[in-house]
Parts: sequence; C-alpha cells; structure tokens
Amino acid sequence: GDSVTQMEGPVTLSEEAFLTINCTYTATGYPSLFWYVQYPGEGLQLLLKATKADDKGSNKGFEATYRKETTSFHLEKGSVQVSDSAVYFCALTLTGNQFYFGTGTSLTVIP
Amino acid sequence: NAGVTQTPKFRILKIGQSMTLQCTQDMNHNYMYWYRQDPGMGLKLIYYSVGAGITDKGEVPNGYNVSRSTTEDFPLRLELAAPSQTSVYFCASSQLGQPPGYTFGSGTRLTVV
Repeated sequence: GDSVTQMEGPVTLSEEAFLTINCTYTATGYPSLFWYVQYPGEGLQLLLKATKADDKGSNKGFEATYRKETTSFHLEKGSVQVSDSAVYFCALTLTGNQFYFGTGTSLTVIP
Repeated sequence: NAGVTQTPKFRILKIGQSMTLQCTQDMNHNYMYWYRQDPGMGLKLIYYSVGAGITDKGEVPNGYNVSRSTTEDFPLRLELAAPSQTSVYFCASSQLGQPPGYTFGSGTRLTVV
C-alpha cells in the first residue's frame, strides 16, 4: 500500500546548523508530496509541497525536491533557528482527499 | 478567519463514558477528516466526509462514529471510551481544486482512565 517513511528523531541541532530530514515514499501511482510542521500545542500546518517529479517546494527557508528515481522528498534548511523547533511530518496523497503521513521527526534547535 | 475549530482542547474520560469531539470549519470546505495521533505512530485516519450527509471509514474507525449534517460541522462520537482511545485527535478540512493540503484544527487531547 501507499506509505511514507521518514527518519526517526529526535534531532537536536545548534542554531545555524544545516538540517536534513529524510523522507521516502511508496505509492501505486504518482503522488503529491508534502511537508507539514507541528509546533508545540498546535495542529499541523502545511510547510511546502510538490506535485510532480523534479518539482522543488520551498517555504521559510526550507526546501524539498520530489525525486521520482529515489522515491524521496527530503527536507532541508541551510541554517536553522530556535523558532524552527517543531515536529515535521512528511505526507503523500494520490487522490487529494486522503493523505498518508509519516511518523514525524522532532527537531530541537538549541541556541 | 477562524479556520478549523476543535473543542474541547483537553478531556479526561472514565472507561465506558461517552463524549463528542466537536469540529467546525468556516472555509466552506467540502472535505473533512478526523485523525488520531499516537506517539511515534504518525496520524491515522478515523473517518472522513466528502460533503454534508456523506461519511466514510478511514483506517481506524472502530469505537467511533461521525455525522455530517452541515458543511461546517463534523463531530466525532466516542460511545464507550476505552484506554486504547487515549490519543490526540485532529480534525482537518480541505477543498479539491484549491492547492491541495489540509487545514488542521489545534487538536483535542483525550485521556481515558
């Protein structure tokens, strides 16, 4: 079935460090891919998305490229800030009305 | 805009009690969803609805019921609470044709003791 696998956390980085959170997917067709972010005590918010192969989603300094050949959608940021501390979820959808989420990766950025 | 509003934010139930988790959206979205989030398990879809009067089961529907009498409201009912239902519950909505992606509520943390 369709699924998403993302790297387990927690991840702890110093401010201004480089961030990579790995995400790979399995899908029967050609999914759209997403990264959601969940700040403490809040719901999930859409961070970025890509709807076809080789698309790059970007927002707030975060980027992810839809790699069909490696079935991956890794999240990157060149210089993390304390305010980026959150849980990050990779997700996919084939139909647009049902999403499959990864288990989440907790990121803590220390000053 | 309020977006998706969930109430209550926190609740403690005793085994066998019932309760309804409320979810309201003001974006005129057709699609609404209930997820539960367990530690280390990601989000699991409980029920979803593609419009008023239409609901369908997700991945983990047992022990829950839903109704969708209006576009705005999508309540989730727990009839006989069990410890296994201790979780954080998220309601979400979406509208096909717009940039795909959910709008999530802020969640309800439920503990069954």
